[in-house]
Amino acid sequence: NAGVTQTPKFQVLKTGQSMTLQCAQDMNHNSMYWYRQDPGMGLRLIYYSASEGTTDKGEVPNGYNVSRLNKREFSLRLESAAPSQTSVYFCASSSTMLDIQYFGAGTRLSVL
Amino acid sequence: EDKVVQSPLSLVVHEGDTVTLNCSYEVTNFRSLLWYKQEKKAPTFLFMLTSSGIEKKSGRLSSILDKKELFSILNITATQTGDSAVYLCAVERYGGSQGNLIFGKGTKLSVKP
Repeated sequence: NAGVTQTPKFQVLKTGQSMTLQCAQDMNHNSMYWYRQDPGMGLRLIYYSASEGTTDKGEVPNGYNVSRLNKREFSLRLESAAPSQTSVYFCASSSTMLDIQYFGAGTRLSVL
Repeated sequence: EDKVVQSPLSLVVHEGDTVTLNCSYEVTNFRSLLWYKQEKKAPTFLFMLTSSGIEKKSGRLSSILDKKELFSILNITATQTGDSAVYLCAVERYGGSQGNLIFGKGTKLSVKP
């Protein structure tokens, strides 16, 4: 049982490059989330999608865009990467916005 | 501003010790409090607490919520090296404009043989 799958696991970018982080869940969940985790900062919400067809900003959305491609997939795009976006990114999903969130294994991103 | 504060930020114990991790919160429209364990990768769910005074238990781990004093504790008895991890506390709120879940910064637990 895969749960929440994130790709890639690791990525190194140069400042100004773009990339898309992929996330897919196989639990038939309605809600999906993107977080970033920085040392000493805990998990902070970037964007979320309460249900297919909707997306909303979280606490730290600047510099990111998202797409809820279908019920299973939720991608996070960095249009012009900056060193401040060096972080570990986690995707999560839940049955609804009021249910337990289950996390993927994370993507470690370094922007040089 | 809503916030979740965990203490201590890090803790080193020896196998067999009992530890208590703390989580206090100031959140409007509180719904529940959750504990997650994070080893090298994904946070994994431990407990969800919604009612005061009712202990949740899973093996050597237990947790309780005090909604009057706005805190929760996570107890681990007879610690093992496999308990080494970062323990995250999160508070779920109704209708948060920036999402429902607010995380604390975590407590890093190291259990030495």
